[in-house]
Amino acid sequence: TQLLEQSPQFLSIQEGENLTVYCNSSSVFSSLQWYRQEPGEGPVLLVTVVTGGEVKKLKRLTFQFGDARKDSSLHITAAQPGDTGLYLCAVITGTASKLTFGTGTRLQVTL
Amino acid sequence: NAGVTQTPKFQVLKTGQSMTLQCAQDMNHNSMYWYRQDPGMGLRLIYYSASEGTTDKGEVPNGYNVSRLNKREFSLRLESAAPSQTSVYFCASSEYGSWQGGGEQYFGPGTRLTVT
Repeated sequence: TQLLEQSPQFLSIQEGENLTVYCNSSSVFSSLQWYRQEPGEGPVLLVTVVTGGEVKKLKRLTFQFGDARKDSSLHITAAQPGDTGLYLCAVITGTASKLTFGTGTRLQVTL
Repeated sequence: NAGVTQTPKFQVLKTGQSMTLQCAQDMNHNSMYWYRQDPGMGLRLIYYSASEGTTDKGEVPNGYNVSRLNKREFSLRLESAAPSQTSVYFCASSEYGSWQGGGEQYFGPGTRLTVT
């Protein structure tokens, strides 16, 4: 059983469209992170959300942590080809800042 | 600052061969991690080292060993490679240790390993 379920698994859209990806769990977390991974590279942290209901914006990306701290969403406005990549949510589990990742949403934005 | 570096970038092994994946970080981080990434499975933690001199198993440690050589370096060894170990391997480091709330992990570019 996967701790973090991400949906959709794949998303192919055209430049300028809006999209939302989701990260869901039945567990409660103290914080949740979103990473983006571009082809051939390692993941890079986009944001950490820590408070239930929190909304953070990073240019055209809007991140929300659910009120119950069990889920999160990432909304991209007016997607661009540079947004193409694998979007991963992750939570810290146990000690030593170990991360557990979701399975990811692979986004392709075409011209 | 190079961040997290990994060698080699690509490797092909035959079943039963051994190899060591090297990882180094220049950010003076306490914690280091090894993950593998497989299609549809996300990243799964193999081993981690909360601080210099300590190592612990993660979610999928079987078939692997690790060495925290010093604060900078954390290596992953496959003693007898199997086709099931074909994957992309990522090393990461983090400033925070087990006594803190956790923070950002910085990842290397990955090693693509194929076992035939």
